[in-house]
Amino acid sequence: GAGVSQSPRYKVAKRGQDVALRCDPISGHVSLFWYQQALGQGPEFLTYFQNEAQLDKSGLPSDRFFAERPEGSVSTLKIQRTQQEDSAVYLCASSPDPDTQYFGPGTRLTVL
Amino acid sequence: GNSVTQMEGPVTLSEEAFLTINCTYTATGYPSLFWYVQYPGEGLQLLLKATKADDKGSNKGFEATYRKETTSFHLEKGSVQVSDSAVYFCALIVLGDMRFGAGTRLTVKP
Repeated sequence: GAGVSQSPRYKVAKRGQDVALRCDPISGHVSLFWYQQALGQGPEFLTYFQNEAQLDKSGLPSDRFFAERPEGSVSTLKIQRTQQEDSAVYLCASSPDPDTQYFGPGTRLTVL
Repeated sequence: GNSVTQMEGPVTLSEEAFLTINCTYTATGYPSLFWYVQYPGEGLQLLLKATKADDKGSNKGFEATYRKETTSFHLEKGSVQVSDSAVYFCALIVLGDMRFGAGTRLTVKP
């Protein structure tokens, strides 16, 4: 594909539901990042993978958030027992080098 | 810690006006600096970047110069167009840690 893709683009969940957000990075990009972007704010780092290894998960806000990238390509961000404060746009980015990240269109999560 | 502070918006300009969006940073080490643009309903797109002091990044008429002495990376464009209406984010990356500013919404009116 030409760029990073994410699905779904929009997700509405009832409070307490589990959600799974998918990211397909650019083919061949070793690094993959997840960010959370609250309304009117810049993206905030959540977690980082190099291939299948999750090297940094310091930004995950609670143990309800879990990310995986089992084969070093597609990644899934899972949020368990969603809360209203989880409502945000979740951005995925992939990177071929330490300086450049290419972002997907994001998944807008709304928790009712 | 590493952080980015950028001019709060919103900014409203008439077409062909001069644009400046201020950005300053705090970082340990030697960051690379970026401007990203986010059009309505779309993801972040890299607009320009600079990787060392005194470098000038430029793209689509936008420019920004990496000023180490003032820890700044201000975005400028000499003549904005309606199509430039978007949210602009200043960002840095150092040792794999990427930080964004809060974003500045620009609206250009015909």
